[in-house]
Amino acid sequence: DVKVTQSSRYLVKRTGEKVFLECVQDMDHENMFWYRQDPGLGLRLIYFSYDVKMKEKGDIPEGYSVSREKKERFSLILESASTNQTSMYLCASTSSGSADTQYFGPGTRLTVL
Amino acid sequence: KNEVEQSPQNLTAQEGEFITINCSYSVGISALHWLQQHPGGGIVSLFMLSSGKKKHGRLIATINIQEKHSSLHITASHPRDSAVYICAVRFNNDMRFGAGTRLTVKP
Repeated sequence: DVKVTQSSRYLVKRTGEKVFLECVQDMDHENMFWYRQDPGLGLRLIYFSYDVKMKEKGDIPEGYSVSREKKERFSLILESASTNQTSMYLCASTSSGSADTQYFGPGTRLTVL
Repeated sequence: KNEVEQSPQNLTAQEGEFITINCSYSVGISALHWLQQHPGGGIVSLFMLSSGKKKHGRLIATINIQEKHSSLHITASHPRDSAVYICAVRFNNDMRFGAGTRLTVKP
C-alpha cells in the first residue's frame, strides 16, 4: 500500500516562528510537491522537487523554502511564519513518467497566531 | 487567468441523480487527473486520463484532447459522494489544479 505521510495533521505556531513541515513517501518517487489549499483558491503549488537536492519554485514560493536531502523526504520551511500563511498544506509525490498518478499526503492544517 | 477551469463551482443534487462535472484546460498536457477531497482534507486520486474514457464503479471520466475538455460523471449519486472534486492537469513535471467543485448529494 503506497503511502505519503506528513509530520503533523494540525499545527499552531506564533508569528515569527520558524516552521518545518515534513513529508515522506515510500514509493521511491522522483517528484515531490508542496501545495497550499485555501478556500476559493484551490490548490496552489509552492515548490516542487524532481530529484534529490533539486528544487523548483512553483506559483507562490515567497515566504517558503524547501529541502530535499534524501529521495523519500521533502521538507517545507517557513522561515518566519506570518498569519497569511495559515492554510492547509498538502504534500504529494509522483514518479517521473509523463503520466502517472499523483499521491497525496493527509495534509497539515497550520494556524499562525 | 487560471489554466484549468471547472464548472460548476457548487452542485447540489438529490440522491439517485446523474451528476456531471466539467473541466477545461488551456495548456498542452500529458495527463489529466480527477481527485476527490472529503471533509477533513484527505485527497484521493480517482482517475488519471490521457485519452478516451475510464470507468470505476459509478464513476466515469472522459477526456477530449482536441477540445481540451474532460468530464466526470457520477451515476446514481449517493450522499457519500458528497465531496470536493478537483481536476488537475500535468504537463512536464508540473501540475495545475482547478478550483474544485463542491458536490452535495441530499438523501
